[in-house]
Formats: sequence, structure tokens, C-alpha cells
Amino acid sequence: DIQMTQSPSSLSASLGDRVTISCQASQDIRSSLNWHQHKPGEAPKLLIYGTSNLEPGVPSRFSGRRSGAIFTFTISGLQPEDIATYYCQQSDNLPPTFGGGTKVEIK
Amino acid sequence: QVQLQESGPGLVKPSETLSLTCTVSGGSITDSYWSWIRRSPGKGMEWIGYTHHSGPSNYNPSLYSRVSMSIDTSRNQFSLRLTSVTTADTAVYHCARGKATPDSWGRGTLVIVSS
Repeated sequence: DIQMTQSPSSLSASLGDRVTISCQASQDIRSSLNWHQHKPGEAPKLLIYGTSNLEPGVPSRFSGRRSGAIFTFTISGLQPEDIATYYCQQSDNLPPTFGGGTKVEIK
Repeated sequence: QVQLQESGPGLVKPSETLSLTCTVSGGSITDSYWSWIRRSPGKGMEWIGYTHHSGPSNYNPSLYSRVSMSIDTSRNQFSLRLTSVTTADTAVYHCARGKATPDSWGRGTLVIVSS
């Protein structure tokens, strides 16, 4: 199975801050990297697919990119409703695998 | 917009079978692939497998010998069976739409394995 290493496991930031999460796969996954948001008590939500494509309705402050083997997820201007745990997930090989998650909190 | 809702027992005894159902609303179950994913403190998010109404299911090799999935098109539901459960199977179980990229999820249902 492809191992997904996600960092940090948690972070605390102020409203309006730029927040960045990283994810690295144990082998090449091309651009098959997705980002999911999970708020407690709610269904997880797919935010970004294929490294950088926003799902319809997802605010433009969310973005994703790839630089070599490192995938990054950015929130440009943290909002109160962004408090959640974020997961990267590779969809290149079966079984799909997830990073360990990053819990985002307000400082 | 498709919505998914998991249902089933919240407590299962060790060695018994875990059975869950996912009810799909707002879309036809024949239109997509459907997956089960579980979340636990020890293993994080783990993909269990996917199923399709007209094709073979595909399961995580780590669970392959114990898992099966099925679809009931008349009820717009799909189901998960996991046999011979242990405490390691305690988790929140989510159903989702999609094969390898889940694009709609259910809230999840907590299943505790305990005697």
C-alpha cells in the first residue's frame, strides 16, 4: 500500500492567517491527490481532487499544489468555519490511502 | 445533491459479524460506485472497499478474507458485512460515493466491538 505522510498533525493559527499542510506519498502517485475536510459530527467533505481542482462550491481561499513529491494544501485567510481536520488521500493505486490528518484550530 | 446515511448496530460482540447499510437519497445507486471507509484512533482513515451494481466489488487486501459488500437497487441501498470482528474493528464507519475518490460521504456510524 502507498503510505501518505501528512504534516503537521495539528496546528493553531489566527483568523486571517495563511495555513499550509503538506503531504508526501511513499511512491509516485502522479497528480492523484485529494483533500478532504472533516468537521466533528458532520460528513467529511471533498474539497480538492487531482491535486488542485476545487469541488464546486468550495471557496477560493482553499488551494492545492504539487512541487515534486510534496503536495501542499493552503487556506489563504483562515475563517472560523474552517476549523476541522483535513486529510490528504491518494487515488492513484488501490487501495486508496489517507494521511493521518491535520487538526486545524484557532489560536 | 446526493446524501448518504449509515445505519446498523452500534455494538457487536467479538467473533460476530458487523452489518451496516447505507441509504442513498438524491440520486440513483446505479449511477456510481459506492465505498465504505472507516476511521479509528489507531489506524486513522482506512478504505474498506467499493461495490457497483453491475460489476465486481474490490476490497482492501488487509480485510479481504472477512469483508463483503452488496447493493439493493430496489431500496437504493448498499451494505457492508465484516465477519469475525475483533476490538481492532472498533471504528466510525462511513459510506461514500466513488471508487477511489469519495466525493460524497455519510456522517458515519460508531461501531464498538465489545463483549
